[in-house]
Amino acid sequence: GAVVSQHPSWVICKSGTSVKIECRSLDFQATTMFWYRQFPKQSLMLMATSNEGSKATYEQGVEKDKFLINHASLTLSTLTVTSAHPEDSSFYICSATSGGGLSGNTIYFGEGSWLTVV
Amino acid sequence: DAKTTQPPSMDCAEGRAANLPCNHSTISGNEYVYWYRQIHSQGPQYIIHGLKNNETNEMASLIITEDRKSSTLILPHATLRDTAVYYCIVLPYSGGGADGLTFGKGTHLIIQP
Repeated sequence: GAVVSQHPSWVICKSGTSVKIECRSLDFQATTMFWYRQFPKQSLMLMATSNEGSKATYEQGVEKDKFLINHASLTLSTLTVTSAHPEDSSFYICSATSGGGLSGNTIYFGEGSWLTVV
Repeated sequence: DAKTTQPPSMDCAEGRAANLPCNHSTISGNEYVYWYRQIHSQGPQYIIHGLKNNETNEMASLIITEDRKSSTLILPHATLRDTAVYYCIVLPYSGGGADGLTFGKGTHLIIQP
């Protein structure tokens, strides 16, 4: 299947600082990327959808000014958690699709990034 | 998107076939059945998808009933590495390309040695 890579795999940051997570589609052009958050023992929750070159669409309850998403190219999207607080500690996962044809519409996920805010 | 129902957990002996059921009685004609799994502390992994015909790939087989109201994911020879949460998701033709995936609680499959 297609490969989606996230970096970093884990990060620890101090409360009040910002942290950026990158998501790259390695072998296809991702017209649409999605960002999820997963707390321990819970399912994945969609945070936002981003189309290349457009502003991201955020799910209800997700603060767009806190979780900045940039999808400037067809292979890269970034999630920046601004002014991070301990309650932002979570597993953040990106996914991507090329949106072309049925197989191309399959959504592939990155490995996830663990964020711990201390 | 149609709602799916899966058992919360299942056990299977290593080397045996693991059969994971999914009910999707409200599925509509243009909706596909997708299966993903999430191994602990990793991102979800695509397994297989289908519309109405049975499908098979290198990972698994997908059996969809004739009325399409339920399906079964089959891992033919389960290994310990197949221990994961398995998600059955019903999506329209776009495959979630526009709207993303909505994850339920899935089935926690535990492979026993």
